[in-house]
Amino acid sequence: EADIYQTPRYLVIGTGKKITLECSQTMGHDKMYWYQQDPGMELHLIHYSYGVNSTEKGDLSSESTVSRIRTEHFPLTLESARPSHTSQYLCASSVLAGELFFGEGSRLTVL
Amino acid sequence: QKEVEQNSGPLSVPEGAIASLNCTYSDRVSQSFFWYRQYSGKSPELIMSIYSNGDKEDGRFTAQLNKASQYVSLLIRDSQPSDSATYLCAVNIDQTGANNLFFGTGTRLTVIP
Repeated sequence: EADIYQTPRYLVIGTGKKITLECSQTMGHDKMYWYQQDPGMELHLIHYSYGVNSTEKGDLSSESTVSRIRTEHFPLTLESARPSHTSQYLCASSVLAGELFFGEGSRLTVL
Repeated sequence: QKEVEQNSGPLSVPEGAIASLNCTYSDRVSQSFFWYRQYSGKSPELIMSIYSNGDKEDGRFTAQLNKASQYVSLLIRDSQPSDSATYLCAVNIDQTGANNLFFGTGTRLTVIP
């Protein structure tokens, strides 16, 4: 069973606030990912990491940033949230490419 | 054109029937293929992966891959109401550097008791 955790599960904040979505995994996976998913739409990769101190932007343009200081931890930060950031954010990890284990997600609403 | 195309459905089948979900992809250098199941309000869960042409069976699930025709399908035998979910097809493309995994928008399956 996958052990990957996201907090908070739900967050409602005002415009302009800084937020950090936490993601931790206990499986020792090198690869970690952040996806954004809106209803009825495909998952879009916004950031990924293939190991400590390695981060890359995905296909979807995003104003967020990530860090990977420890293997198990991959937080995502929005410096100034806007209503357009309202979405479901999914963290995932993997050993083999394509075989992802997802966290339960963080649903963000920006007012 | 999207990398991965799926019929969004909804697909409705009676309990006990075979559900057939299809996915086509656009890139001929795609190497590996995956099916994820996503229940409403939950995150995706990997249920099948297939790497070579032909069929791969796992319990009631069979994945079928035809690289020449660029499609991959998922068959669910003896469908149960608990199979009602959105099924996401994902394709891993062999390219260096950039993101390699592309998801379809998913097919919503409803199994009617």
